[in-house]
Amino acid sequence: EVHLAESGGGLVHPGGSLKLSCSASGFNFTSSAMHWFRQPPGKGLEYVSSITSHGRNSRYAESVKGRFTISRDNFRNSLRLEMDDLRPEDSGIYFCVKDSRYYPDYWGQGTLVIVSS
Amino acid sequence: DIVMTQTPVSLAVAPGQTASISCESSERLVDKDGRIDLYWYLQKPGQSPQLLIFEASSRFSGVPDKFIGSGSGTDFTLKISRVEAEDIGVYYCMQGVRLPYTFGQGTKLEIK
Repeated sequence: EVHLAESGGGLVHPGGSLKLSCSASGFNFTSSAMHWFRQPPGKGLEYVSSITSHGRNSRYAESVKGRFTISRDNFRNSLRLEMDDLRPEDSGIYFCVKDSRYYPDYWGQGTLVIVSS
Repeated sequence: DIVMTQTPVSLAVAPGQTASISCESSERLVDKDGRIDLYWYLQKPGQSPQLLIFEASSRFSGVPDKFIGSGSGTDFTLKISRVEAEDIGVYYCMQGVRLPYTFGQGTKLEIK
């Protein structure tokens, strides 16, 4: 069974940093591209970032480009998102999502990030 | 970015009836391999999204046949037959033909 467990969320001041982690199990992590999506409080779903299975290529939403960095550790079956220069509009639940090879399929339960003074 | 327009925003359906949700994309959603990159997710209250339909009309593993996706080009529909209490939540369409993946605004399904 696929299991994705996010951690690292919390309350941070504007301009601060946070590092999210996702622990993956139940599938071949080293063969799967991975994504981060987010959901602002009371709103819909947004794409944040993607990384290829080997970790050599990554993509970002324009709104986070230059501030967020996605990475992975295929030995530890883990995905990370380093978030710098955080803004209030970055607040929300951040989801770690597995890719089937063609589309996002399984989602973790999410971790809450609140950016507020 | 590709814009996804989903209607209605909310929908109240009596138990046993059929719900229908529409999704329109600003561009055709066919990729270079001929796949239709349109997906439907359901987010039940307090849960993370779960994939229902991939490539416009294929049901994901474990999804019952009451969920039917259809459409092509830029217009897509999700029908939920025999609606019951466990179907409530917010339904989202998503395009996967090009990054950034983009979602419709969501349709909240309630039971009358």
